[in-house]
Amino acid sequence: DSGVTQTPKHLITATGQRVTLRCSPRSGDLSVYWYQQSLDQGLQFLIQYYNGEERAKGNILERFSAQQFPDLHSELNLSSLELGDSALYFCASSVEGQGETQYFGPGTRLLVL
Amino acid sequence: GESVGLHLPTLSVQEGDNSIINCAYSNSASDYFIWYKQESGKGPQFIIDIRSNMDKRQGQRVTVLLNKTVKHLSLQIAATQPGDSAVYFCAEKSNTGKLIFGQGTTLQVKP
Repeated sequence: DSGVTQTPKHLITATGQRVTLRCSPRSGDLSVYWYQQSLDQGLQFLIQYYNGEERAKGNILERFSAQQFPDLHSELNLSSLELGDSALYFCASSVEGQGETQYFGPGTRLLVL
Repeated sequence: GESVGLHLPTLSVQEGDNSIINCAYSNSASDYFIWYKQESGKGPQFIIDIRSNMDKRQGQRVTVLLNKTVKHLSLQIAATQPGDSAVYFCAEKSNTGKLIFGQGTTLQVKP
């Protein structure tokens, strides 16, 4: 157990819908990262937050957005969902967000029908 | 550019044998590398890391070797067990501070 929690574990929705994924970082970690992992694909970095502020952006679509709240938990919002958005979404956290070790949550499996 | 690649997509080994998973990186300025293990249906799990001022680091049954001359990283697993079956990712700390992940190597352990 990494100490990072994610909810929900599974999510099934329809095209065009909007969903919110939630992540709670390890105690003491200030930085949160979101990744997308499609079938047979590696981890695609989406976005990083540090202490409530966006720090880095990766291959995140405009239909996707995220935020980190004062209690340091983070939410990833996916809107106007398409079939191709079906994937595993992982959250990771680290202490300072400077490229040190990231600890991953169990992921949310999203299926868009 | 920033890229981290794995030499083989799948590695099959006999239980009890040693496994070697390789990774190439392109940024010679990278100073930190990590190996992650991802079991089916789970998130990536930290295994071992190494900084660029080291050539070798050992953990429990795992060893990471870093060859900066040829920009190559390897993970050695001693006495491979069925529980080692997973996808293994190397990750490189880029000069922007982000971790760049490779595509992953699937390790299959045959009983």
